[in-house]
Amino acid sequence: DTGVSQDPRHKITKRGQNVTFRCDPISEHNRLYWYRQTLGQGPEFLTYFQNEAQLEKSRLLSDRFSAERPKGSFSTLEIQRTEQGDSAMYLCASSHSGRARDTQYFGPGTRLTVL
Amino acid sequence: GQQVMQIPQYQHVQEGEDFTTYCNSSTTLSNIQWYKQRPGGHPVFLIQLVKSGEVKKQKRLTFQFGEAKKNSSLHITATQTTDVGTYFCASGGFKTIFGAGTRLFVKA
Repeated sequence: DTGVSQDPRHKITKRGQNVTFRCDPISEHNRLYWYRQTLGQGPEFLTYFQNEAQLEKSRLLSDRFSAERPKGSFSTLEIQRTEQGDSAMYLCASSHSGRARDTQYFGPGTRLTVL
Repeated sequence: GQQVMQIPQYQHVQEGEDFTTYCNSSTTLSNIQWYKQRPGGHPVFLIQLVKSGEVKKQKRLTFQFGEAKKNSSLHITATQTTDVGTYFCASGGFKTIFGAGTRLFVKA
């Protein structure tokens, strides 16, 4: 396993711009999760995919946020019309249902700064 | 909704001292997971407990799940500088709820 990868690692944008992040899960992991983490807090669940289906979406995810996993492999998280409050670390995790109690493996995250 | 509360928020110890972090919930938890996040790093899964009263050990780390499945603890014996980081408890399945974490500082 090469681990979960995320791109970019850092993103600085101006308020009002759109940003898109990518997550590549561990190969053969059928579950993929997005979290947001702010300084001094634990990760907050945003959304979850099983294969290509988005099965759960947090109320934290406003209409400006959208996530996709078109072929059940990599996933993208898009934030439209960014606001300063969107500044955070966006973490992706993946797991395989049925293996090791569905342990989630996290990627290194994308740190978003909205100016 | 389900929440998990962690205490303390911070803990400073001298190398060699023990450390314990506690996780509490007002509702019964289906499971409890523990993660470690090094400064500048990402959460790394340590362990999951599912049974009432369960105790598991990993070298110097001891994890407990309360009898009522509403609380848990992580105890580190004889801390080392490599133990520095934030320890999170979490619970749930695909929708995992994390505590705010306990940040451990170890002075050599």
